[in-house]
Amino acid sequence: SAVISQKPSRDICQRGTSLTIQCQVDSQVTMMFWYRQQPGQSLTLIATANQGSEATYESGFVIDKFPISRPNLTFSTLTVSNMSPEDSSIYLCSVDTVGVYTFGSGTRLTVV
Amino acid sequence: KNQVEQSPQSLIILEGKNCTLQCNYTVSPFSNLRWYKQDTGRGPVSLTIMTFSENTKSNGRYTATLDADTKQSSLHITASQLSDSASYICVVSGQAGNNRKLIWGLGTSLAVNP
Repeated sequence: SAVISQKPSRDICQRGTSLTIQCQVDSQVTMMFWYRQQPGQSLTLIATANQGSEATYESGFVIDKFPISRPNLTFSTLTVSNMSPEDSSIYLCSVDTVGVYTFGSGTRLTVV
Repeated sequence: KNQVEQSPQSLIILEGKNCTLQCNYTVSPFSNLRWYKQDTGRGPVSLTIMTFSENTKSNGRYTATLDADTKQSSLHITASQLSDSASYICVVSGQAGNNRKLIWGLGTSLAVNP
């Protein structure tokens, strides 16, 4: 399965600022997925990122709040914009290789 | 409504003991069911994947069962170790190859004590 390097692993940010999370995959993948895991909750899909096209966002998530870049087949970024304490969560990227979903180690974001 | 429910919510066992975690789902259509292990502060790691036709699948000390008729699955952990302390998440896929159709359970938090 693929190996994903995700960073930062954690950050504490001031409200109103933005944070960009990066994921690097050790192989080329068509789609990359971004998830949010709020405290005590299950994973929620934010968006699907395809290389060369705009990301597809799930209900409740918008591009202005969570802009995504996918410049090539091994890299993607998710930005959490204009943060508020409600954005405090773990953010995870994921790829699907041969039916196995592999996840990054996650970014634990705390907004104060 | 597509749902995945897991029980118990949390569990404490002694090292060396066995335990069984439960997953009930109402997802339709059904493609496959996965069990993930998520250590604190880490991303989920896949343990097993089962399709409609599979009843059981093992991965070391982890054995998953699936009853597609009753829409139930279990994860049995044998001879538990301290490193088994984690959250175990059941995930049901409603459509093969479509990540947007993954329905995630809330997980069972397992603590293995010495």
